[in-house]
Amino acid sequence: DAKTTQPNSMESNEEEPVHLPCNHSTISGTDYIHWYRQLPSQGPEYVIHGLTSNVNNRMASLAIAEDRKSSTLILHRATLRDAAVYYCILVANTGFQKLVFGTGTRLLVSP
Amino acid sequence: KAGVTQTPRYLIKTRGQQVTLSCSPISGHRSVSWYQQTPGQGLQFLFEYFSETQRNKGNFPGRFSGRQFSNSRSEMNVSTLELGDSALYLCASSFLSGVSYEQYFGPGTRLTVT
Repeated sequence: DAKTTQPNSMESNEEEPVHLPCNHSTISGTDYIHWYRQLPSQGPEYVIHGLTSNVNNRMASLAIAEDRKSSTLILHRATLRDAAVYYCILVANTGFQKLVFGTGTRLLVSP
Repeated sequence: KAGVTQTPRYLIKTRGQQVTLSCSPISGHRSVSWYQQTPGQGLQFLFEYFSETQRNKGNFPGRFSGRQFSNSRSEMNVSTLELGDSALYLCASSFLSGVSYEQYFGPGTRLTVT
């Protein structure tokens, strides 16, 4: 399984944008980049995923570098509810469902 | 639509016993995956079931097993419990199996082995 590297923690103020980086220099051409987050005392929650192009949804945006060796999850306006551990996961295009979670980035949001 | 439900939410067992955990996926979802979460090892993939067949298995001993029923509901079983099996067991469902399908997680079953 290809490995991702994320900062252990980041801090943000409420209503400010947050950019969560992820390095994945060993990504293969068919690996998808998925982001999940886990709020305290809850199961993980899907955020967004992409392959090559930048992606937007109602929760966030995903910016993927041209060489695909890094990506950035963008929360446009952080709220207190966004305080969570964010996981960047490479998912091999095998036809199976298997998420290999790393240690993620703990996002702290201050009012 | 109702989310993924897991029962029971909390469980206390003794070493050597066995336990069965249940997961009901979102209606219409056919893939069910199981994960174990511990403070030391984080979130680890156990196995995935799709159309009643185990399609993928993580690096866990044979004491961990599962099955899926025709209505997509799934159970996982742990036999001969060890103290190290104390963990949060999470079930996730997706519409189909494959990289394009997001997984929806349940709240988990907190298992404590004494």
